[in-house]
Amino acid sequence: EDKVVQSPLSLVVHEGDTVTLNCSYEVTNFRSLLWYKQEKKAPTFLFMLTSSGIEKKSGRLSSILDKKELFSILNITATQTGDSAVYLCAVDWRSGGSNYKLTFGKGTLLTVNP
Amino acid sequence: NAGVMQNPRHLVRRRGQEARLRCSPMKGHSHVYWYRQLPEEGLKFMVYLQKENIIDESGMPKERFSAEFPKEGPSILRIQQVVRGDSAAYFCASSRLYGDSTTGELFFGEGSRLTVL
Repeated sequence: EDKVVQSPLSLVVHEGDTVTLNCSYEVTNFRSLLWYKQEKKAPTFLFMLTSSGIEKKSGRLSSILDKKELFSILNITATQTGDSAVYLCAVDWRSGGSNYKLTFGKGTLLTVNP
Repeated sequence: NAGVMQNPRHLVRRRGQEARLRCSPMKGHSHVYWYRQLPEEGLKFMVYLQKENIIDESGMPKERFSAEFPKEGPSILRIQQVVRGDSAAYFCASSRLYGDSTTGELFFGEGSRLTVL
């Protein structure tokens, strides 16, 4: 069973549109949720969220976590073609007495057309 | 301040051969993770290592796969007797240690793309 589920799996928009990417999770001993951007190579870190309701913002990107409803959203405003990428959500958690590790969702493929 | 370095970037092997993938973590990072990514799939955890120690290998296939992180030198992911299904991108990531535990933030290498013919 998938512990981290992202939606939609893919999305096509036009430049200037605003998009919202979703990530829901179901894990024990949650520690944090992270967003990464992957453009055909190494995933690059965007945000780490540990507390509910506190928005993290970086330029046109923002993200928020809801630990009660077990989800996070990633917003991108005024999209540009350079935002085209796979956006990965990952949850840092541990099962029982094991170590913390990141479990990734399958990602959302965002395509921004000019 | 180099990031996570992986080599080779691309590796082609015939069925039955061995593949060795190397990863040098970021300076100051003592924890290494290996992930596998299949086309149109997310990153799947394989193994988590510290120097000379395997911490968690719950994502590693039981046969043909092994990993090490020696006291000196890079971490190595070794796949013996490769099969076509092993074709994938293998990403290495490293993290820092804060207190008794690592942070959640991982820094990824560019990946090694294995193709098995």
